Amino acid sequence: EPEVTQTPSHQVTQMGQEVILRCVPISNHLYFYWYRQILGQKVEFLVSFYNNEISEKSEIFDDQFSVERPDGSNFTLKIRSTKLEDSAMYFCASSEFFRETQYFGPGTRLLVL
Amino acid sequence: AQSVTQPDIHITVSEGASLELRCNYSYGATPYLFWYVQSPGQGLQLLLKYFSGDTLVQGIKGFEAEFKRSQSSFNLRKPSVHWSDAAEYFCAVGSFTGGGNKLTFGTGTQLKVEL
Repeated sequence: EPEVTQTPSHQVTQMGQEVILRCVPISNHLYFYWYRQILGQKVEFLVSFYNNEISEKSEIFDDQFSVERPDGSNFTLKIRSTKLEDSAMYFCASSEFFRETQYFGPGTRLLVL
Repeated sequence: AQSVTQPDIHITVSEGASLELRCNYSYGATPYLFWYVQSPGQGLQLLLKYFSGDTLVQGIKGFEAEFKRSQSSFNLRKPSVHWSDAAEYFCAVGSFTGGGNKLTFGTGTQLKVEL
């Protein structure tokens, strides 16, 4: 069964450093998303992406964040200058159509020291 | 703005007992509703979804949920819980406006199963 994959599974970085989280969505899916879950809190929407542009973003998704689909398979989330409060589990998801089920990857655990 | 409330943070049931996890939503239009399960260290796995039609929906692993518009609820049920069902369960509502497509999650219910 097709699945969303994410790399790395864990990443530790120093405050102020840039990180790139990578995702490979399900191959025939057209809509891509990033969510995050701070430890002990609920899953929060960050951004949705379609047709090579952001379709919606939350207030969390400020200028420090960016997303890109650099090729036909990868979807990345970049945090330019990490802060302590960026420590969280980051989930990538994809869906085939607009009003369709989102399938989630296993997540990347980011720890900012 | 849409929101989801899961009033039970923790629930403990005995193996073989029935289970009901509560979910209430707030959304101005016809909701798209989901239940996801998260096992420790794992991602979110879809259990079931409601888009339209029959208000009782069946999902994987023997779970079902009933959409009740009058109560703004989408409670998850299972007639007989297995020890492997211990996990965290998230209810979510989908909003599809302005070209965007996002899920709003509840805070989750941690299920513990006693043998």
